[in-house]
Amino acid sequence: DGGITQSPKYLFRKEGQNVTLSCEQNLNHDAMYWYRQDPGQGLRLIYYSQIVNDFQKGDIAEGYSVSREKKESFPLTVTSAQKNPTAFYLCASMSDALQPQHFGDGTRLSIL
Amino acid sequence: GENVEQHPSTLSVQEGDSAVIKCTYSDSASNYFPWYKQELGKRPQLIIDIRSNVGEKKDQRIAVTLNKTAKHFSLHITETQPEDSAVYFCAATDSWGKFQFGAGTQVVVTP
Repeated sequence: DGGITQSPKYLFRKEGQNVTLSCEQNLNHDAMYWYRQDPGQGLRLIYYSQIVNDFQKGDIAEGYSVSREKKESFPLTVTSAQKNPTAFYLCASMSDALQPQHFGDGTRLSIL
Repeated sequence: GENVEQHPSTLSVQEGDSAVIKCTYSDSASNYFPWYKQELGKRPQLIIDIRSNVGEKKDQRIAVTLNKTAKHFSLHITETQPEDSAVYFCAATDSWGKFQFGAGTQVVVTP
């Protein structure tokens, strides 16, 4: 969906480094989500936010952090505590309950 | 919390045949069930969804059925074409908006 922009498309992380993945939406959606997808697997929820200045841990939050200072933006930081960060990261947003989530194009993160 | 199981994990069909993917969920409060199609390296895209007050929904060659009593829902693709080859995900969510996705089904349509 053109309304959700993730950047960068590819990202490489060095040992001990924190990296931040950007997610911006212009759909005026309240809720935003971060998922991790490993090869051949489904989507696992990292963090989600249903309103500005509030967010909750998902199923695999360890080693990640987020912020939600603006409605349009929900950046994800992959910290050095995440020992296996190589994956495809997808950001999504949703207008309200009982509506579909709309996804960005994803960021592929690899370790150098 | 919600748990969604999806079967089969892979599905190979001949072009023109039908494909059926089944999902079961655990939380009786779930009331919205979308299906997504994901091509290799791309974003998941919504193909059809159903809400708990409806038993069946159809959109051209795609249909979804929901059995709330048994807590399962299915995706049906008729007259499959090579461009239907992709990974398909089911999901379930309640009014809080937290989605639980199935593990995905790799569909391969052979000409």
